[in-house]
Amino acid sequence: QVQLQESGPGLVKPSETLSLTCTVSGGSISSYYWSWIRQPAGKGLEWIGRIYTSGSTNYNPSLKSRVTMSVDTSKNQFSLKLSSVTAADTAVYYCASHRYGTFDPWGQGTLVTVSS
Amino acid sequence: DIQMTQSPSSLSASVGDRVTITCRASQSISSYLNWYQQKPGKAPKLLIYAASSLQSGVPSRFSGSGSGTDFTLTISSLQPEDFATYYCQQSYSTHSFGQGTKLEIK
Repeated sequence: QVQLQESGPGLVKPSETLSLTCTVSGGSISSYYWSWIRQPAGKGLEWIGRIYTSGSTNYNPSLKSRVTMSVDTSKNQFSLKLSSVTAADTAVYYCASHRYGTFDPWGQGTLVTVSS
Repeated sequence: DIQMTQSPSSLSASVGDRVTITCRASQSISSYLNWYQQKPGKAPKLLIYAASSLQSGVPSRFSGSGSGTDFTLTISSLQPEDFATYYCQQSYSTHSFGQGTKLEIK
């Protein structure tokens, strides 16, 4: 059973870059899509984007100018960078396996707060 | 962008009730529709994929139907562990979610 775990700073200053990593265990990261999704407190879910293990990416148009995703197959990890963050980027960030249009399984999520 | 609208936004029901949640897409998405359950402080869990296929391990009291723009999630007999927030998600293009339906105990 594949498991995912997000890691990274829980506090980021406004205008700086948010950086998170997702570590995949219990299976290989190769030959699949992997996504990032976020959820502000008390609100709904927003898909951020996805990466294939070849490095090919698709981003949500609303965030595309600020998002960069990468993958390190040797470490079974993939990463998210979101630049020029504001308070509106404060959310729980989830990584998830992305197959046949579904997100399953998900990591437990990590709260990132944007504040000075 | 495809907008997903769920109704109702919240719902009160009792154990044993039959409950239906609706999800409407702003344009046709064929059967590219999935349903998730989220409990407080937890990640969402996939329940239904491709509009009507039950994810492995999900109880058979959950079912999904619909195609095109209108979809439903039905719970045939509510159990205490079903009280949660439910989200629909389209995978037709640039994945998007509905705003959620919070199912509360009456």
